[in-house]
Amino acid sequence: GQNIDQPTEMTATEGAIVQINCTYQTSGFNGLFWYQQHAGEAPTFLSYNVLDGLEEKGRFSSFLSRSKGYSYLLLKELQMKDSASYLCAVALKAAGNKLTFGGGTRVLVKP
Amino acid sequence: DADVTQTPRNRITKTGKRIMLECSQTKGHDRMYWYRQDPGLGLQLIYYSFDVKDINKGEISDGYSVSRQAQAKFSLSLESAIPNQTALYFCATSDRKGTDTQYFGPGTRLTVL
Repeated sequence: GQNIDQPTEMTATEGAIVQINCTYQTSGFNGLFWYQQHAGEAPTFLSYNVLDGLEEKGRFSSFLSRSKGYSYLLLKELQMKDSASYLCAVALKAAGNKLTFGGGTRVLVKP
Repeated sequence: DADVTQTPRNRITKTGKRIMLECSQTKGHDRMYWYRQDPGLGLQLIYYSFDVKDINKGEISDGYSVSRQAQAKFSLSLESAIPNQTALYFCATSDRKGTDTQYFGPGTRLTVL
């Protein structure tokens, strides 16, 4: 089976930086996705990592270490609209890249 | 126009009723998925389909069935709804020729009384 862990909740101040960690234990890893989900809305795709290293997209960056089963999502220059849940999901090659999601990290940005 | 649409967006029904949730996509993706999300929890996979003739059970398929009527349409049915099926339901699509990134529809909020 798979086990994906991420913190339940984090609080940060507008303009600051927040790092959301995700650890996973799985076999047949074929990529890790991060999604943003505002309350009651659909998850929206943020980033995809399949090789080790850092992927940067504007204010958001995602890092992967396959040997450690570890990823993080870094949110810089936080804005109020970044208050949302952030979902980590792992793709399994043997299952046709079917995703298994973590429980999500709710980020609250305060003024 | 939205790439992935779901109907209805909200539905209230009674225990024992049969309910169908529909999903359509204009992204041209071959793969489609149905998830449910309970308050404060992550997404759980109900069923998925890698092409029109392929249907697979996910983690929580009991009490649900699906139909892939065409590449662009994937329906989820609750044969006899029960209160613990009250949840937010999402459809998603992906393209196996790319990174298989899943793109989600807006969701259907289902309440079973």
